[in-house]
Amino acid sequence: DTGVSQNPRHKITKRGQNVTFRCDPISEHNRLYWYRQTLGQGPEFLTYFQNEAQLEKSRLLSDRFSAERPKGSFSTLEIQRTEQGDSAMYLCASSSDRPSSYNSPLHFGNGTRLTVT
Amino acid sequence: GEDVEQSLFLSVREGDSSVINCTYTDSSSTYLYWYKQEPGAGLQLLTYIFSNMDMKQDQRLTVLLNKKDKHLSLRIADTQTGDSAIYFCAEGSYSSASKIIFGSGTRLSIRP
Repeated sequence: DTGVSQNPRHKITKRGQNVTFRCDPISEHNRLYWYRQTLGQGPEFLTYFQNEAQLEKSRLLSDRFSAERPKGSFSTLEIQRTEQGDSAMYLCASSSDRPSSYNSPLHFGNGTRLTVT
Repeated sequence: GEDVEQSLFLSVREGDSSVINCTYTDSSSTYLYWYKQEPGAGLQLLTYIFSNMDMKQDQRLTVLLNKKDKHLSLRIADTQTGDSAIYFCAEGSYSSASKIIFGSGTRLSIRP
């Protein structure tokens, strides 16, 4: 178990550019989550996948944001036409709904810190 | 809507016990969690408790849950400098996998 892995760790981009982040969950976890965290706040839910299906999206996820999990393993989060307000830490987490795990807690990656200049 | 509240700061002397408090509003919460975040890092799960439990102890950590008052606390015994971090309380529901709500975090600082 190597834990949840996120790449890149840091991303600096100019306003208007597109960025894509990647998350590799714990291999036996079928649930994958994206959260956003700004300074001084707790993580805010963005979206959630069960296997390859995106089951829920927060109202925080504007149409400039899109997330995919094509094969039910890794996931990508793309932000188009970035704005300065998108600057934040983007956290990925995974968990399992299998009976032995009984809705296991979320395990987080170290996040991708996005700075939009 | 659902809300989780924590005090923003706590300062304790090294070797003393730290008690971090949290209140939540959702009575259907099934799980209550404590996460630790060090600078520049993601959230590390410390411990969690089911809503049908009153207490859970794990080495230096003790979690107390008062379901009637919707109050959760985390006690860290013999606090060390390595415990300096932000501690997040979170609540979740088994019926909704995505319904995990985090507080704003309590920054714990340790005085020598």
